[in-house]
Amino acid sequence: SYVLTQPPSVSVAPGKTARISCGGNNIDTKSVHWYQHRPGQAPVVVIYYDYDRPSGIPERFSGSKSGNMATLTISRVVAGDEADYYCQVWDSSSYHWVFGGGTKLTVL
Amino acid sequence: EVQLVESGGGLVQPGGSLRLSCAASGFTLSDHYMDWVRQAPGKGLEWIGRSRNKANNFITEYAASVKGRVTISRDESRNSLYLHLNSLKTEDTAIYYCSRERAASVFDQWGQGTLVTVSS
Repeated sequence: SYVLTQPPSVSVAPGKTARISCGGNNIDTKSVHWYQHRPGQAPVVVIYYDYDRPSGIPERFSGSKSGNMATLTISRVVAGDEADYYCQVWDSSSYHWVFGGGTKLTVL
Repeated sequence: EVQLVESGGGLVQPGGSLRLSCAASGFTLSDHYMDWVRQAPGKGLEWIGRSRNKANNFITEYAASVKGRVTISRDESRNSLYLHLNSLKTEDTAIYYCSRERAASVFDQWGQGTLVTVSS
């Protein structure tokens, strides 16, 4: 089955840039979506189709992809960005949605 | 306003079964692919399964981890989605979310989730 690998945690100081990676075999051939999940709340999509940003999501959030890695970048991090972040792809070989293990973003 | 509201969670004994409901408002459920996702305590998001839209005959796809124990169904008249899970194990303890796919892709709407606890 397809596996997406994320670092368990990323820490960043306010005002700095956070980068969260998502590794997967041939991920460059798949569309990657990113979700923000705060405790007790519903997940929210922050990036879809690799780099598109939904309305209402700050421009500080951006996505990129190269080779076997997708990256969510959060610029000028603020305390409110503290959450768990998940990448997601559709595995067409198994007809399954796959989530990465999630990355806990801590704002120092 | 688009909204998804899950219900039906609670305490269930091992070996039992559950039926969760997801009531949709603000849009027509049958137009969309719909999914169930869960999060066990201290764990990440886990996709459980999907029901395609009416145009695709509501075909379902299920995760290997629950296949054989799970059924996703709909009631068009109630604009609702359901999750049936049987032979429950303690590992099925989780918050269960329903979500809507936009254009059979990104999950653009999520409910607040309903907690299921499997314990004797």
